[in-house]
Amino acid sequence: GAGVSQSPRYKVAKRGQDVALRCDPISGHVSLFWYQQALGQGPEFLTYFQNEAQLDKSGLPSDRFFAERPEGSVSTLKIQRTQQEDSAVYLCASSPRTQGTGELFFGEGSRLTVL
Amino acid sequence: GQNIDQPTEMTATEGAIVQINCTYQTSGFNGLFWYQQHAGEAPTFLSYNVLDGLEEKGRFSSFLSRSKGYSYLLLKELQMKDSASYLCAVRDDSWGKLQFGAGTQVVVTP
Repeated sequence: GAGVSQSPRYKVAKRGQDVALRCDPISGHVSLFWYQQALGQGPEFLTYFQNEAQLDKSGLPSDRFFAERPEGSVSTLKIQRTQQEDSAVYLCASSPRTQGTGELFFGEGSRLTVL
Repeated sequence: GQNIDQPTEMTATEGAIVQINCTYQTSGFNGLFWYQQHAGEAPTFLSYNVLDGLEEKGRFSSFLSRSKGYSYLLLKELQMKDSASYLCAVRDDSWGKLQFGAGTQVVVTP
């Protein structure tokens, strides 16, 4: 497809389970971002990749959160031992740029519900 | 710390004009974005300001004053499809890392 694709769109997990969320950025986009959006709030930055390098992971809320982009294309956000407070929409965004102007292109997100 | 403030909700009539204000206090500034987000959908880019002044794109305009830490998004000739959340976001010191406000829910009534 032409846009950022995320899967699964919806995930229900029991507390304590591990989950993996996938992001397929727009082809050729070198920059990739993960954001967390709680209900009724704006997106909160989690982490940033430039190609396969994770340049900023300052927004990851705990060491239970881990992201990777091994070949500089598809990215996976993994959450270990999920907690109820992890319930949110996880948005992936990409950009063809690494500097200067230019917006981020967002996917529709993966909605995680932890019971 | 970072702080981006915008009203929670605004209601306006179809055909009218609505102005959504955004004030920000960030450690740095490298541009301000406005995104539109319909419920359950991806945020979509509306506008970008990095210099002071007004940027116009069809029915949407965005204004920036860096000295005041202030921006607004102006929506003209409102249509029912404009009912959505409007997100103000600032790019601070780190390229690409956008700091978002909580969003303004605009409700357009017939």
